[in-house]
Amino acid sequence: AQSVTQLGSHVSVSEGALVLLRCNYSSSVPPYLFWYVQYPNQGLQLLLKYTSAATLVKGINGFEAEFKKSETSFHLTKPSAHMSDAAEYFCAVSGRTGRRALTFGSGTRLQVQP
Amino acid sequence: GAGVSQSPSNKVTEKGKDVELRCDPISGHTALYWYRQSLGQGLEFLIYFQGNSAPDKSGLPSDRFSAERTGGSVSTLTIQRTQQEDSAVYLCASTPNQGRDTQYFGPGTRLTVL
Repeated sequence: AQSVTQLGSHVSVSEGALVLLRCNYSSSVPPYLFWYVQYPNQGLQLLLKYTSAATLVKGINGFEAEFKKSETSFHLTKPSAHMSDAAEYFCAVSGRTGRRALTFGSGTRLQVQP
Repeated sequence: GAGVSQSPSNKVTEKGKDVELRCDPISGHTALYWYRQSLGQGLEFLIYFQGNSAPDKSGLPSDRFSAERTGGSVSTLTIQRTQQEDSAVYLCASTPNQGRDTQYFGPGTRLTVL
């Protein structure tokens, strides 16, 4: 079974600073990996996904993530934080076989300070 | 185009009552998922429908929970004899095919059991 671990339930950065949200996965074979963002009282919106093509994945709103098999990681980064990036971010995994549902990490709440 | 819609957006009920939550997936999407988001448990998979195949019910927490999908489109999640621990946001998602593709989420139904 696949699982993901998000390190840091809360991350605070200053506007304009680098954003780094950490995600490590556990799977016997490289899975599909996703980052979703959730704004208050809204559903989940896909930021980006890794499905086995390029290991550096670019998403919406200037976010990107790099799949590193050797580190079993899929960290999310953005060079310069905006106030509008304040939200909760979820890393999720789906296996290449078996159950198709997503398994989510516990989430990281990003706070952006002016 | 229209996204995934869910109704009601909020539902307050008394312990022991039955509730029905509705999900309208994106038109043409063949796969539909239900998830639950709660403070204690995070985001959890509940049930998955794909076309005419038997649903994957492996995530349902108890036999008080059931779901159906009529005509391959609208889905209803039913919770019988609600308990306070059922209080959560119930999210629905759909995908366009059988592949392990992006799941598009609705805004959720916030259920409060008094």
